[in-house]
Amino acid sequence: GENVEQHPSTLSVQEGDSAVIKCTYSDSASNYFPWYKQELGKRPQLIIDIRSNVGEKKDQRIAVTLNKTAKHFSLHITETQPEDSAVYFCAAPFDYGQNFVFGPGTRLSVLP
Amino acid sequence: GAGVSQSPSNKVTEKGKDVELRCDPISGHTALYWYRQSLGQGLEFLIYFQGNSAPDKSGLPSDRFSAERTGGSVSTLTIQRTQQEDSAVYLCASSLVRGGLNTGELFFGEGSRLTVL
Repeated sequence: GENVEQHPSTLSVQEGDSAVIKCTYSDSASNYFPWYKQELGKRPQLIIDIRSNVGEKKDQRIAVTLNKTAKHFSLHITETQPEDSAVYFCAAPFDYGQNFVFGPGTRLSVLP
Repeated sequence: GAGVSQSPSNKVTEKGKDVELRCDPISGHTALYWYRQSLGQGLEFLIYFQGNSAPDKSGLPSDRFSAERTGGSVSTLTIQRTQQEDSAVYLCASSLVRGGLNTGELFFGEGSRLTVL
């Protein structure tokens, strides 16, 4: 089955700096990699995802990069703002893409 | 509905009692997932339903946990003889499946916070 590791578990950055969170996965057949953001007391929500036919995807201040050979993908947040403070989860599919396993999460704190 | 709806939002129960948690997925979403999230922790997979296929129950932590999905829509997660370690937020999510392929995005409900005294 799929195994997803995520690092770091906690990350503190100054407002305006960049933040990078990395995930590794084990199933070479995985082809879809989402990132979810969970604010305190709220539900997880998808912020960006990438499919295996591309190496990078950007959406304003956030981007995701994928290295299929090394089986890792990363979330990049530039010009961080206090509202970026949250827990971020990566995920990878298994069971022929029918189910997902989540990483353990990264708690990001953006300090003013 | 507009989103995934879960009830109750909060449930306090005594150890040993049974509880039922309900999830109403987004209309047309055939895939439904239950996750458990303990305080400050990650998302622990419990069970997955897809259409008329047999559910994937591999994440259920014990035989006290069960779930059903009636008519391919609403799902109920039942915890029998609750224990204090069952205290957590139980999150339901649904997703769209087209042509047998999961389109990817999971839409989560607000969760049901269970406290076992």
